[in-house]
Amino acid sequence: SQTIHQWPATLVQPVGSPLSLECTVEGTSNPNLYWYRQAAGRGLQLLFYSVGIGQISSEVPQNLSASRPQDRQFILSSKKLLLSDSGFYLCAWSGTVLYEQYFGPGTRLTVT
Amino acid sequence: GENVEQHPSTLSVQEGDSAVIKCTYSDSASNYFPWYKQELGKGPQLIIDIRSNVGEKKDQRIAVTLNKTAKHFSLHITETQPEDSAVYFCAASLSGTYKYIFGTGTRLKVLA
Repeated sequence: SQTIHQWPATLVQPVGSPLSLECTVEGTSNPNLYWYRQAAGRGLQLLFYSVGIGQISSEVPQNLSASRPQDRQFILSSKKLLLSDSGFYLCAWSGTVLYEQYFGPGTRLTVT
Repeated sequence: GENVEQHPSTLSVQEGDSAVIKCTYSDSASNYFPWYKQELGKGPQLIIDIRSNVGEKKDQRIAVTLNKTAKHFSLHITETQPEDSAVYFCAASLSGTYKYIFGTGTRLKVLA
């Protein structure tokens, strides 16, 4: 069966510091991968998605970036965090034939 | 742009009663409609979905109905239990992409 992991689970970072969040998927090959952000009490905002290694599409202009160095690894990064980057970051995967997206457990990021 | 409207934003029901959450989508070419349950501090969990070639789907106490003509779809939970308390999100696939458009969420409270 497929599983999706995210780490760290929680993170507190000062403004201006760098960020690296990691997501890995097990039990499937060539998944589509997605990064979402969820502000407190709000809905899901798609940040990036990837249909293959090195293929990243950005949905929202911001100071975040994403990379996919391996088939089942998706990384969310920032060079300098802003207060507004605080939120709950969710990674998701889907197959390439069916549409179902499955979410990871999330990373709670607080920028102070 | 395309959007999904979800109502109500909050819903309180007595244990054992039914709960209904409604969504309306704008992309007439959407063909996949998932529902997610998100418990506090966790990632969204896919609980049921429906494709555009089906009008209704049921899984134990949960059912989803789809009216393509009106571009409406609804989640029905019968015999609600306290563990059904969570935030529920609907979504619609964005035609020609692997992406979803999410509703804004419904906070369901089941009162014991």
